[in-house]
Amino acid sequence: GESVGLHLPTLSVQEGDNSIINCAYSNSASDYFIWYKQESGKGPQFIIDIRSNMDKRQGQRVTVLLNKTVKHLSLQIAATQPGDSAVYFCADARGFQKLVFGTGTRLLVSP
Amino acid sequence: DAEITQSPRHKITETGRQVTLACHQTWNHNNMFWYRQDLGHGLRLIHYSYGVHDTNKGEVSDGYSVSRSNTEDLPLTLESAASSQTSVYFCASNSLNSPLHFGNGTRLTVT
Repeated sequence: GESVGLHLPTLSVQEGDNSIINCAYSNSASDYFIWYKQESGKGPQFIIDIRSNMDKRQGQRVTVLLNKTVKHLSLQIAATQPGDSAVYFCADARGFQKLVFGTGTRLLVSP
Repeated sequence: DAEITQSPRHKITETGRQVTLACHQTWNHNNMFWYRQDLGHGLRLIHYSYGVHDTNKGEVSDGYSVSRSNTEDLPLTLESAASSQTSVYFCASNSLNSPLHFGNGTRLTVT
């Protein structure tokens, strides 16, 4: 599998900085939201998810924020590392099953 | 460890030929999905299945078919390959209330 490539929005950060990747969704009926990470040559890998009855959820070095009023989702990565360099996708769904994916953001981490 | 395996990883075929991409999961998941990933489009749903003998069309199903004869496998068939079907194909699976797990993809080139 290969990332979507050259036309992606790109976020460049320095190692150790915090990264914030943003995503807008359109379906006001969506009640489940999820972030995936995709490295070159691999399939998307689950990072963190959140349901619509929450506005924040934390994992290991990652936090997802959900603003249902403006249909906005963000992924915050603390103390970004070179290994975090990848393409990040958000997705939303009504229920857990038929996810609709965004086009992705490429994160580049410089040492 | 449970996993989801796609084969082949790379395939080159000619226009008009029938092609089948394999997907095998050992998670014992009821739900299985096929996506394609293209520049500027992110991941788009082709077909999906919620259990044995169940199949459903996704948003880009024309020219593709699937069959689900057991829990573990959901092969994707291109009836008559077209150049527009050159893409990277991802299989995924999940069960109720769990996030999607993806395979590592099949890169298909139709010449």
